[in-house]
Amino acid sequence: AQSVTQLDSQVPVFEEAPVELRCNYSSSVSVYLFWYVQYPNQGLQLLLKYLSGSTLVKGINGFEAEFNKSQTSFHLRKPSVHISDTAEYFCAVSGVTGFQKLVFGTGTRLLVSP
Amino acid sequence: EAGVAQSPRYKIIEKRQSVAFWCNPISGHATLYWYQQILGQGPKLLIQFQNNGVVDDSQLPKDRFSAERLKGVDSTLKIQPAKLEDSAVYLCASSPKIGGRGEKLFFGSGTQLSVL
Repeated sequence: AQSVTQLDSQVPVFEEAPVELRCNYSSSVSVYLFWYVQYPNQGLQLLLKYLSGSTLVKGINGFEAEFNKSQTSFHLRKPSVHISDTAEYFCAVSGVTGFQKLVFGTGTRLLVSP
Repeated sequence: EAGVAQSPRYKIIEKRQSVAFWCNPISGHATLYWYQQILGQGPKLLIQFQNNGVVDDSQLPKDRFSAERLKGVDSTLKIQPAKLEDSAVYLCASSPKIGGRGEKLFFGSGTQLSVL
């Protein structure tokens, strides 16, 4: 089984500052990793995903994440945030074979202020 | 392309009452999921359908929750009777891929349930 730990429940940041949202996972098998974003009163949207290949993954809205197998981490970064990035961000993991369920972390609320 | 449709958007009920949620996935998507998202937690998978067959319902509290997917399209999730701890947002998602490891999940906006 897989599990995900998001170390920060809330991250406040000023507009145009860089941000990193941390995610660590646990799994006994190879994994796929995902970041989803949830804007207020909306469903979850896929931000980016790591399936294989390059460990640096670029997603929508200028976000990127780096898969670090040795540290079992998949931290999300953005060099300069906007007010519109204020949302809940969820890291998720699944195994790579068979009917593997998607397991979500508890989420990190990113609060961007002017 | 129309997204995943869910209704109702909000529901308030008394404990021990029954409630049902409806989901219409994206046309042609073979896999349908129901997730429960309790405030302050990440979404938790309740049940996964492949067409109209159940693939995974290991985390569905079967003494009170039931779900069906009619003709492999729409789906209904029911709670009977509801408990206070069932207060949550119920998310429906669909995927065109078989196996459903998360690569192409599309989520609806959810139904927010409050049990008083």
